[in-house]
Amino acid sequence: QSALTQPASVSGSPGQSITISCTGGSSDIGAYNYVSWYQQHPGKVPKILIYDVRHRSPGISSRFSASKSGNTASLTISGLQAEDEADYYCSSYTSAYTIVFGGGTKVTVL
Amino acid sequence: QVRLQESGPGLVKPSETLSLTCTVSGDAISSMTYYWGWIRQPPGKGLEWIGSVYYSGSTSYNPSLKNRVTISVDLSKNQLFLNLTSVTAADTAVYHCARPSGGTYYGYWGQGALVTVSP
Repeated sequence: QSALTQPASVSGSPGQSITISCTGGSSDIGAYNYVSWYQQHPGKVPKILIYDVRHRSPGISSRFSASKSGNTASLTISGLQAEDEADYYCSSYTSAYTIVFGGGTKVTVL
Repeated sequence: QVRLQESGPGLVKPSETLSLTCTVSGDAISSMTYYWGWIRQPPGKGLEWIGSVYYSGSTSYNPSLKNRVTISVDLSKNQLFLNLTSVTAADTAVYHCARPSGGTYYGYWGQGALVTVSP
């Protein structure tokens, strides 16, 4: 299975909003509302931010929001903060009963 | 509190078999609720889903690894296992076991075990 497509990097200044895209196909993102987003700081374990396209995991800031349109999902970080600097991964359930991850996006806070 | 801990050799020779154990505490694999997963991350690279296993032994594998991977469980020991055969340097990675918080997203992760494939 091919990895979902994410931009390698996205950057923004503190207080700005940024959006990370995640593009798949009709057998994964387009087929199910089972898109998740993870945040991973260097040397740390991935942390679930968003599940089922748009639902924030308990304890996750409302600055994180997500959506899906067709075969593309998006994660938006509003009011960017220094602590948001990390790698972000999307994932989706697939029609083959598997999970596929995106290649990851490095977010830099300028 | 659900906790997962990976264990196994940190160094494996090319062409040999990588074997890891994940010991679970704070939850029972036999609870019949989740597909427990294995995920790996090569140094400096992204996450790759390896596969998952249900308490019954039912499995699902990444098609790109399917011919080499076996995931199993031991309910009496509350452990899951990963075997990956015919390893190469490309299999060098941190290997995580994980439990979903819901249906298809992983809320609980082990700290990971670094496995290096080298002669």
